[in-house]
Amino acid sequence: LAKTTQPISMDSYEGQEVNITCSHNNIATNDYITWYQQFPSQGPRFIIQGYKTKVTNEVASLFIPADRKSSTLSLPRVSLSDTAVYYCLVGDMGTGGSYIPTFGRGTSLIVHP
Amino acid sequence: ETGVTQSPTHLIKTRGQQVTLRCSSQSGHNTVSWYQQALGQGPQFIFQYYREEENGRGNFPPRFSGLQFPNYSSELNVNALELDDSALYLCASSLAMGLAGRNYQETQYFGPGTRLLVL
Repeated sequence: LAKTTQPISMDSYEGQEVNITCSHNNIATNDYITWYQQFPSQGPRFIIQGYKTKVTNEVASLFIPADRKSSTLSLPRVSLSDTAVYYCLVGDMGTGGSYIPTFGRGTSLIVHP
Repeated sequence: ETGVTQSPTHLIKTRGQQVTLRCSSQSGHNTVSWYQQALGQGPQFIFQYYREEENGRGNFPPRFSGLQFPNYSSELNVNALELDDSALYLCASSLAMGLAGRNYQETQYFGPGTRLLVL
């Protein structure tokens, strides 16, 4: 079964780069890795998605090694507003070939002034 | 703002009752997924609907059921409520370009959730 493991919490300071690593040892060959951000009392918000190597968008970068058993979300120069819970998401194949998305427990990032 | 709305925002029920939660998808999306998120946990996948048909179900009992309507809005119904059903219920809409060979999760746009308390 697909399963993700992330650090429970991380602390950082404004202006620093933050790297959050997720392990997903049983990721399916054709599965992607997706990261979401969640603020209290809100639904998760898509950050970035990738399959291998490196993906970059306007808010983050995602690094995926060749074995794809882990991925690292990189947030450049964090600000106080980046304080949130960050989830990586992979999936399982359910009955009938349906895709079952599986969130981990998330990493609570606290950014200090 | 994702364009996904949910109602109600909060709800209190007693054990044994039934509840219906509603979700309005983002315009143009044909897929809706429902999740249960207990306090301090990540969202747990309940099921997904694609073009009004259930397409994938997590480890939830049959008393959790759903519907997707022709306008792609959706309902989550939970019968015989239990105390452990207290959670934040999230719906997420996405655009699936067919199911054949589908092997990854499209970008999901989540609503703000409905917080359900079962007493």
